[in-house]
Amino acid sequence: AQKITQTQPGMFVQEKEAVTLDCTYDTSDPSYGLFWYKQPSSGEMIFLIYQGSYDQQNATEGRYSLNFQKARKSANLVISASQLGDSAMYFCAMREGWGAQKLVFGQGTRLTINP
Amino acid sequence: EPEVTQTPSHQVTQMGQEVILRCVPISNHLYFYWYRQILGQKVEFLVSFYNNEISEKSEIFDDQFSVERPDGSNFTLKIRSTKLEDSAMYFCASVLGVRSSYEQYFGPGTRLTVT
Repeated sequence: AQKITQTQPGMFVQEKEAVTLDCTYDTSDPSYGLFWYKQPSSGEMIFLIYQGSYDQQNATEGRYSLNFQKARKSANLVISASQLGDSAMYFCAMREGWGAQKLVFGQGTRLTINP
Repeated sequence: EPEVTQTPSHQVTQMGQEVILRCVPISNHLYFYWYRQILGQKVEFLVSFYNNEISEKSEIFDDQFSVERPDGSNFTLKIRSTKLEDSAMYFCASVLGVRSSYEQYFGPGTRLTVT
């Protein structure tokens, strides 16, 4: 079974609109962490936001927020007021357990922002 | 801001040749990783390294692969006899590991092309 599922292979959004990128996860470990990374066409992996399984509040980092719904096992990324520079691949990833465990990535969503 | 660096950015090699990919993790980080991403696919875990030994490896990380931290700063991935299917982007990552979210900081990647 897939540990991380990103069901949107591609999304197209108008500049300045908000966009939600979906991510669902599967784990039986009560301790885990969820990450979102951005990969522009240049190829590097840029960390965006982190949510721990015990965190009471949804994580926010500037224009990025993580809509964490634990019972549904979803961790959607919300980008407010999208910009042309947000066009990239976005990967959701999970760390199972507490500590420096490996990350398991989803297939990614290619986001295109239209002017 | 400290960052993970990787060299070379692009390596072209012939099938059967040995390659060494180099990484310099962030200086006070304790955990190190190699991931790979075949073109157009998701990022896959290869190996994690802590306290001068492998802590976990995936089924991809067979006898053709090895890792080393030779001098306390560099972290290398060696592929002994490259195959066409080893062509991919290879990412190094590091984690501070102490009272942190265990956020993994990724390097810019080395694109390996095996001909």
